[in-house]
Amino acid sequence: GAVVSQHPSWVICKSGTSVKIECRSLDFQATTMFWYRQFPKQSLMLMATSNEGSKATYEQGVEKDKFLINHASLTLSTLTVTSAHPEDSSFYICSATGTDGNEQFFGPGTRLTVL
Amino acid sequence: RKEVEQDPGPFNVPEGATVAFNCTYSNSASQSFFWYRQDCRKEPKLLMSVYSSGNEDGRFTAQLNRASQYISLLIRDSKLSDSATYLCVVPPVGSGYSTLTFGKGTMLLVSP
Repeated sequence: GAVVSQHPSWVICKSGTSVKIECRSLDFQATTMFWYRQFPKQSLMLMATSNEGSKATYEQGVEKDKFLINHASLTLSTLTVTSAHPEDSSFYICSATGTDGNEQFFGPGTRLTVL
Repeated sequence: RKEVEQDPGPFNVPEGATVAFNCTYSNSASQSFFWYRQDCRKEPKLLMSVYSSGNEDGRFTAQLNRASQYISLLIRDSKLSDSATYLCVVPPVGSGYSTLTFGKGTMLLVSP
């Protein structure tokens, strides 16, 4: 099956720093990638949808200047949490769909802890 | 009514038991439904999809009740490895598979 990787798997940073998370499709071309956030005991909440080569579409309430998304190639999307604060601590998961768009394949997630 | 609602549980069952949980959805026009399984601190993984009345895969059976707007997941002969959170997913109408709305999930704990 299709494989999506994320890096890093976990990160701890100080408040005010920026953190970049990478999402890669390893064996297929991902025309669309999604970024989710999941707080403890909560559901996955879609943050943004990005198509290769175009600007990401953010969900209501998600600050695009704080969560910078770049989808420069068909196999890589990055999410940068700028000036992270403790309330940004969460589990960030990406997913990707191929050209048929029939299924979303999830990455293993990145656990961000902001001190 | 929220878009997708699930009983958070936890459902505590012994090995070998049969357990079922439901998920209600708000949009009567929804056509497709999915059950995902998420282990602690892991990504969700697709378990089953439901497009019409139901679907069965081994010990797992998913059923759709359009009149009452809910889908159910039945697990027979529970295994310890079935312990996980089960997420109900309903794509918004017209979005295809690409946009997913997740429920909060139902936690299942299977004990020896």
